[in-house]
Amino acid sequence: KAGVTQTPRYLIKTRGQQVTLSCSPISGHRSVSWYQQTPGQGLQFLFEYFSETQRNKGNFPGRFSGRQFSNSRSEMNVSTLELGDSALYLCASRAGTAGEYGYTFGSGTRLTVV
Amino acid sequence: QKEVEQNSGPLSVPEGAIASLNCTYSDRVSQSFFWYRQYSGKSPELIMSIYSNGDKEDGRFTAQLNKASQYVSLLIRDSQPSDSATYLCAVSRAGKSTFGDGTTLTVKP
Repeated sequence: KAGVTQTPRYLIKTRGQQVTLSCSPISGHRSVSWYQQTPGQGLQFLFEYFSETQRNKGNFPGRFSGRQFSNSRSEMNVSTLELGDSALYLCASRAGTAGEYGYTFGSGTRLTVV
Repeated sequence: QKEVEQNSGPLSVPEGAIASLNCTYSDRVSQSFFWYRQYSGKSPELIMSIYSNGDKEDGRFTAQLNKASQYVSLLIRDSQPSDSATYLCAVSRAGKSTFGDGTTLTVKP
């Protein structure tokens, strides 16, 4: 059974540009969540999608957006990149949205903004 | 105050010892509790989940939950060098998980 697949693994972007990250969940998992991980802030919740609808959103500016497609694949977009957006972006999928479901994480996308 | 707080660490134990990792949370209506292990340069991996008060054992791992004290812990028995990693506590409410900053464990041979 394939795991959570994130592409690309590494990205280097210039301040002011925009970036799109992709995530394919485990087959059959309809919930996809995105987290930002930095050494100083730890894992910070960005948003969760289920059946193409955003269910939860964290405390990030509107420059961070996402969407989910009918096949449960999800994309995250960051516009007008800032140096502080440099981080590991992790996608996680789970079988449902109820609290008892834990996450399976992808390998992450390492974004560096220069 | 952070929503989820963990021992600041790092924690170092000798091989074969019991490692004890602790976590407190502030939201009294939290429903589900998880422990993830993250090796350096890797993504987090779910190792334990617990939903009701008491102990839950899985191999060398035991999770303990005390909702009255808003406390959850992870015990690792017979610690091995391969257990050296950062352990993240996550607390879930309404389907959203909030993570602690993690405790880094080193098991010395």
